[in-house]
Amino acid sequence: QSVLTQPPSVSGAPGQRVTISCTGSSSNIGAGYDVHWYQHLPGTAPKLLIYGNNNRPSGVPDRFSGSRSGTSASLAITGLQAEDEADYYCQSYDSSLSGFYVFGTGTKVTVL
Amino acid sequence: QVQLQESGPGLVKPSETLSLSCAVSGYSISSVYYWVWIRQPPGKGLEWIGSIYHSGTTYYNPSLKSRVTISIDTSNNQFSLKVSSVTAADTAMYYCARSINWNFDYWGQGTLVTVSS
Repeated sequence: QSVLTQPPSVSGAPGQRVTISCTGSSSNIGAGYDVHWYQHLPGTAPKLLIYGNNNRPSGVPDRFSGSRSGTSASLAITGLQAEDEADYYCQSYDSSLSGFYVFGTGTKVTVL
Repeated sequence: QVQLQESGPGLVKPSETLSLSCAVSGYSISSVYYWVWIRQPPGKGLEWIGSIYHSGTTYYNPSLKSRVTISIDTSNNQFSLKVSSVTAADTAMYYCARSINWNFDYWGQGTLVTVSS
């Protein structure tokens, strides 16, 4: 039931930069609602990585950055590290019948 | 430090009611936040189930609204989830979380609920 579309997987070598896209519509990202990003390691609680499009909670390295434009958003990871291998989800608010909170389909980041 | 911990049966029979609780520590559930349930079926993405405000006001995912009830117990600093008439499609990892400004800043570790006879 995911309303926001992400690529299933991205990969990169240590030290490289990878980006994850999150495509929505006029009832969520395109309507100006904020986008948030989560990092999810198997067996652990998802962790808020970016909030309000481009803000990092305390303790999140500045290697992680977010942006939003039109009906899409992106998460960038620079200086990729082995510990960044995880699933990443975008999330926003949707004003349609999809429900208040909507998530992306999820992207698996693999560090080569 | 804010901590959330889910609890409840790990196995529920089809057509029965799934019941989970989320105990919150390090923060009063009566304060200004929404308290949320989210689930993730095996191999699938995250799905918002519903939210409750400290006043008791609830909001539910339209796709689940007819079967879901979320309640809050401020005296014990916890909130709960009930999903009725469950099927195999309700098998998932269930998470409770705290929400402000439309994001989720603290999550529980999650509890796996399997629907099977």
